Amino acid sequence: AQSVTQLGSHVSVSEGALVLLRCNYSSSVPPYLFWYVQYPNQGLQLLLKYTTGATLVKGINGFEAEFKKSETSFHLTKPSAHMSDAAEYFCAVTTGTASKLTFGTGTRLQVTL
Amino acid sequence: DTEVTQTPKHLVMGMTNKKSLKCEQHMGHRAMYWYKQKAKKPPELMFVYSYEKLSINESVPSRFSPECPNSSLLNLHLHALQPEDSALYLCASSQILAGGQDTQYFGPGTRLTVL
Repeated sequence: AQSVTQLGSHVSVSEGALVLLRCNYSSSVPPYLFWYVQYPNQGLQLLLKYTTGATLVKGINGFEAEFKKSETSFHLTKPSAHMSDAAEYFCAVTTGTASKLTFGTGTRLQVTL
Repeated sequence: DTEVTQTPKHLVMGMTNKKSLKCEQHMGHRAMYWYKQKAKKPPELMFVYSYEKLSINESVPSRFSPECPNSSLLNLHLHALQPEDSALYLCASSQILAGGQDTQYFGPGTRLTVL
C-alpha cells in the first residue's frame, strides 16, 4: 500500500520568502512522486515529478523538490514566493499499480505582502 | 501540448435530470480517468479506462455511468443524482508506461451543482 502525508494544511509566507511545503510518503516499493498545483476553480497542473534518476527535480514556475529515500520525503521548495503562487498544492504517489495516484490532503499556500 | 478539455465548465441539474460530462484529449494517451473533488479535499478516483476499456471502477454508484467512445473521448453520464454529488469533476489522461511511470494530465474540470 502507498500513502502520502502533507504536513500543514495551510502555510503562509511573505512575498519574497522561501516556500517549503512538506510531503512524506510510505511505499513498499520504489515510488513515483508528483507535485500538482490547483488554482481556485481550476484543474490540477503538474509542477514536477520524480520517477528515476536525479533526486533533485526542477519544475515549472521556479519550484523544485528533492527525493530523499532515507527520509521518505519529497518536499517542495521555491526560493522566493510570488503572489501568484497562492494556491492549493497536492503531493501524490504511485507505485505503478494500475496507474493509481494516491494524493495527500493538500496544503494551501498563502502569500502575503 | 498537454491539454485536456472538459465541457461544460459549469452544470446545474435537478435530481431527475439526465446530463453528460465530456472530456477530450489529443495527446495520444491511452488511459483516461474520472475524478470527483469536493471542496478543500483531494481528488477521489472514480473510473479508469485503459485502451478504451473500463479497468477500474472505485465502487461508484450506478447513477454515474462512464463511456469511452474512442481513444480521445471520455464521457460521464449522470442520472438521478443527489445533492451530495455536487462537486468538481475532473478528467485526466496519461500514457500507459511500463512500471507505472505515467504522468496524469488534468482538465479544468466541470463544476456540478445538483439541486
